Amino acid sequence: ETGVTQTPRHLVMGMTNKKSLKCEQHLGHNAMYWYKQSAKKPLELMFVYSLEERVENNSVPSRFSPECPNSSHLFLHLHTLQPEDSALYLCASSQGLPGQGTYEQYFGPGTRLTVT
Amino acid sequence: AQKITQTQPGMFVQEKEAVTLDCTYDTSDQSYGLFWYKQPSSGEMIFLIYQGSYDEQNATEGRYSLNFQKARKSANLVISASQLGDSAMYFCAMREGWGSQGNLIFGKGTKLSVKP
Repeated sequence: ETGVTQTPRHLVMGMTNKKSLKCEQHLGHNAMYWYKQSAKKPLELMFVYSLEERVENNSVPSRFSPECPNSSHLFLHLHTLQPEDSALYLCASSQGLPGQGTYEQYFGPGTRLTVT
Repeated sequence: AQKITQTQPGMFVQEKEAVTLDCTYDTSDQSYGLFWYKQPSSGEMIFLIYQGSYDEQNATEGRYSLNFQKARKSANLVISASQLGDSAMYFCAMREGWGSQGNLIFGKGTKLSVKP
């Protein structure tokens, strides 16, 4: 595997379900991100981890819970979601944080989430 | 106010012709960075090109070049010799801030369609 991988690629869940999104990066990067991409809206940054520590949480509802067990893996735990949470969830990684240098972010293919 | 503005929701270009995708930004920082990403229908975001605010020359990467006009706060992407595979969404993004607080802010994107 190379680059950034995400599983599952598609997920349909009810509002009472609990599910997790997984992201894995094979690039040796130190920073990882979760983004939400809704139709006709700019990409929204949700969480940022640097060296496994959360450094950013952009006022995301508590029904989204991130976990970064090591620098290669990032999870997004989902519970009691709402239909408006349906979106494409993108994971990204970079060598360093954007504010520390000119580090471009490498994105995974995303998980298309539908909440029914 | 939007930090990143992409005024063209959709663009058409004939194969083998050049096309310019517009991006204007708003920041009071002296040090910032500008990125362009491509998102094909498969979903992953692909890094294309980067321009730093202190870079005196316009960035180029193969068929991609960035027309950076600092005084006008614009960072337009120029794609030369368009190919059918260039059909995708294109996002302009800005890194502002420094240290651990710097993050990427994305525009709403432009959908480019290349006609044969």
